[in-house]
Amino acid sequence: DVKVTQSSRYLVKRTGEKVFLECVQDMDHENMFWYRQDPGLGLRLIYFSYDVKMKEKGDIPEGYSVSREKKERFSLILESASTNQTSMYLCASSTGGTYGYTFGSGTRLTVV
Amino acid sequence: DAKTTQPPSMDCAEGRAANLPCNHSTISGNEYVYWYRQIHSQGPQYIIHGLKNNETNEMASLIITEDRKSSTLILPHATLRDTAVYYCIVRVSQGDNDMRFGAGTRLTVKP
Repeated sequence: DVKVTQSSRYLVKRTGEKVFLECVQDMDHENMFWYRQDPGLGLRLIYFSYDVKMKEKGDIPEGYSVSREKKERFSLILESASTNQTSMYLCASSTGGTYGYTFGSGTRLTVV
Repeated sequence: DAKTTQPPSMDCAEGRAANLPCNHSTISGNEYVYWYRQIHSQGPQYIIHGLKNNETNEMASLIITEDRKSSTLILPHATLRDTAVYYCIVRVSQGDNDMRFGAGTRLTVKP
């Protein structure tokens, strides 16, 4: 089975800190995605990547950046964390085509 | 614009079939219907997808109407562990690799 691993389950950071959320998948998938999930707003797409060193903005990219230096790893970066970035962050990967996505377990980030 | 409409919540008795509806009246000919579920505090889990034929796998069945404007996900014998939020999504399979999730249906399976 495809496995998507997010490095931290819970994370607490201070306002203004630079935060890295790491995601690794082990099935050689081309596509990787970052979502955030908030009560009442559902899952919203932040960024996605079709290939190494490629990235595309999703619906809410402001305040975030991403890095994909290796195929298996997709990092989400909060350049200067703010309290409104407190959320559950979900990473996913897919092989493209008609196949569905495989999600990680999520990282619950609290910015204080 | 929302591509799908789902009831916000449903209940089902344990052991009974759970039938979760989804309306997608503006679906295009090349768009697939996908279903995911999310159990509390976990990431969404892929269940099934289809284009126009009915589909079945070990988790569920997907029934798509002939005009493709609606579909139903069927969990044949619901268990307490099926309590989750179920998302119905339509997307093009090629060239549109970003899945958009709506609010979904919160299914509660009761003993």
